[in-house]
Amino acid sequence: EDQVTQSPEALRLQEGESSSLNCSYTVSGLRGLFWYRQDPGKGPEFLFTLYSAGEEKEKERLKATLTKKESFLHITAPKPEDSATYLCAVRRGSGNTGKLIFGQGTTLQVKP
Amino acid sequence: GAVVSQHPSRVICKSGTSVKIECRSLDFQATTMFWYRQFPKKSLMLMATSNEGSKATYEQGVEKDKFLINHASLTLSTLTVTSAHPEDSSFYICAASYNEQFFGPGTRLTVL
Repeated sequence: EDQVTQSPEALRLQEGESSSLNCSYTVSGLRGLFWYRQDPGKGPEFLFTLYSAGEEKEKERLKATLTKKESFLHITAPKPEDSATYLCAVRRGSGNTGKLIFGQGTTLQVKP
Repeated sequence: GAVVSQHPSRVICKSGTSVKIECRSLDFQATTMFWYRQFPKKSLMLMATSNEGSKATYEQGVEKDKFLINHASLTLSTLTVTSAHPEDSSFYICAASYNEQFFGPGTRLTVL
């Protein structure tokens, strides 16, 4: 059964304290692993797509990496505005329109 | 680019009435749109996948006669919650697919 598990469920950091969020997955026929950021009361905001093991992508203080079993979202020197829920999802199925399977998310709080 | 809008952002209705939510991809054509439901502090639950010009595919446990989906064009999909009841109160989010899934801002439905 396809499954996505994120850890930790919640994370509190001091401003500037770097850390990593984990996304473990089991899926048949992976066609992309996605990271989204969601602020309270809003829809998820697309961050990254990773397609193959060893791939890395960066955006400002965020860096996503992928292995055959898990993905990490590294947050370097976070700021309070990085506080949000980070969602990981995997896509399976054909083409680029297959449905996503989401993890439960990691809620990050960065204190000044 | 890749902007998805939803309307309305909030709606309050009486039990037994029907509510229509619109989802538009503003700057790209989406052959596939998705409708999700999200409960407080929970992850996204896929309700249905909608392809332009064809019937939507509903996930197991989602009542197709209660949640009517129409995908009349490449930029517009609508979700109608028929005969809404308080248990239908939730945050509904659409997504449009163009390689990645881009999400709308969500619609908060409250049924009294």
